[in-house]
Amino acid sequence: GQQLNQSPQSMFIQEGEDVSMNCTSSSIFNTWLWYKQDPGEGPVLLIALYKAGELTSNGRLTAQFGITRKDSFLNISASIPSDVGIYFCAGQTNAGKSTFGDGTTLTVKP
Amino acid sequence: GAVVSQHPSRVICKSGTSVKIECRSLDFQATTMFWYRQFPKQSLMLMATSNEGSKATYEQGVEKDKFLINHASLTLSTLTVTSAHPEDSSFYICSARDIQGLVGAGELFFGEGSRLTVL
Repeated sequence: GQQLNQSPQSMFIQEGEDVSMNCTSSSIFNTWLWYKQDPGEGPVLLIALYKAGELTSNGRLTAQFGITRKDSFLNISASIPSDVGIYFCAGQTNAGKSTFGDGTTLTVKP
Repeated sequence: GAVVSQHPSRVICKSGTSVKIECRSLDFQATTMFWYRQFPKQSLMLMATSNEGSKATYEQGVEKDKFLINHASLTLSTLTVTSAHPEDSSFYICSARDIQGLVGAGELFFGEGSRLTVL
């Protein structure tokens, strides 16, 4: 089946630093999505990418859909304590089925 | 605000009983909804695709008689964990998307999740 490799698994950074995480896939996806999940809650959509090569920003977040359609990265600039959480990438097919990466746990030290 | 709502958010039950979890799409109709399960410190794993008016499609390894899915209307899907056992304890999350594109652009929106604990 489809697999997504998300890295890094965890990050410990100082407040104000920039963060970068990425996902690679063995298969092509038509849509790449990035979610943030806080403990005990469902994932919340951060950024959705629909076209290969697309670069999209949402505030301090920037994500790109790789040209090959098999990868994506997410950058967070000037991190703040509330950025703490688990970030998941997801590749979505046209049918709506999504495959999730294993997540990147972000810890921000004040 | 939330576009997909789940209920209950937490449920504790005795082993052998059945538990029903509801997933509702708000402000849009969803002919398809998806049910995921998430164990602690792990990623979301797709269990099944819920199809309005027809049978659900289950992923490999997911018992359809164990996890009953009913998609009775365009805004409601239910997941019933039958004869629950402690190993069924998990975080169950549903998702849906508005294929008409009125809410979002086809991306999945997730419910708040339902924490099931089987004693």
